[in-house]
Amino acid sequence: QQPVQSPQAVILREGEDAVINCSSSKALYSVHWYRQKHGEAPVFLMILLKGGEQKGHEKISASFNEKKQQSSLYLTASQLSYSGTYFCGTEGGQGGKLIFGQGTELSVKP
Amino acid sequence: SAVISQKPSRDICQRGTSLTIQCQVDSQVTMMFWYRQQPGQSLTLIATANQGSEATYESGFVIDKFPISRPNLTFSTLTVSNMSPEDSSIYLCSAESISYNEQFFGPGTRLTVL
Repeated sequence: QQPVQSPQAVILREGEDAVINCSSSKALYSVHWYRQKHGEAPVFLMILLKGGEQKGHEKISASFNEKKQQSSLYLTASQLSYSGTYFCGTEGGQGGKLIFGQGTELSVKP
Repeated sequence: SAVISQKPSRDICQRGTSLTIQCQVDSQVTMMFWYRQQPGQSLTLIATANQGSEATYESGFVIDKFPISRPNLTFSTLTVSNMSPEDSSIYLCSAESISYNEQFFGPGTRLTVL
C-alpha cells in the first residue's frame, strides 16, 4: 500500500526550514528518501533502517519511528538547490522492493 | 555509489511495436528493479529482475507485456511489448548496492508511443 506524504507542496524562502512526513499503514523495515528535479532521475538522499535511527547529511536529516510507521525529512536553512520533488520509498522487508509515496514538491525562492 | 546507465535515453515508437530498454550497472549489486513514472506522478514498481530466473511482477504487470531478463549481476533488460499510447512513460531501472542496501536509479528512458 502506498505511503502517504505530507504536505503535497511547500514553498520556502532561502534559509527557511521544512519538514516532510511519510506515513505507512504497514510495518516497515526501512525508509528511503529521494529528491527528483524536473526531467532527471531520482537522487538518493538517505536510508533509515528499522531501529528509530536518525541520520543526517549536511543540512538534511531524517528520522524513523518504526512504532508509528512514520518517517520525517528535515531540511534546514534551505538553499535554492533544494528545490524539487521529494519521495519517500518504504520497504516492508520483501527483498528490497520500494513502494513510493506520491511526492512532495518543494520550491525554494530567493 | 553504483553508476547506472540506460539505453536508449528516449524513443518514439509506433503502436503495436516493441522496445527493449537496457540497464547496465558499473559494479556488482544485489537486486535490480524496473519502475515506471508518468509525468508529474510517483514511481510505480513494475518488477524485480532476478538473476538467472523469471522476474517477479507486481500487481497489474505481466510477463507477456513486460518481459525482463537479467543474465548477470550487472545487466538487465525490460521489453515493452505490443505498445499502445498508454505505455508512454518514463521507465527507470534501479539497483541495490551490496554494502548498504541503498538503491540508485538510472537516468531513465522516455518512451512516446504514437
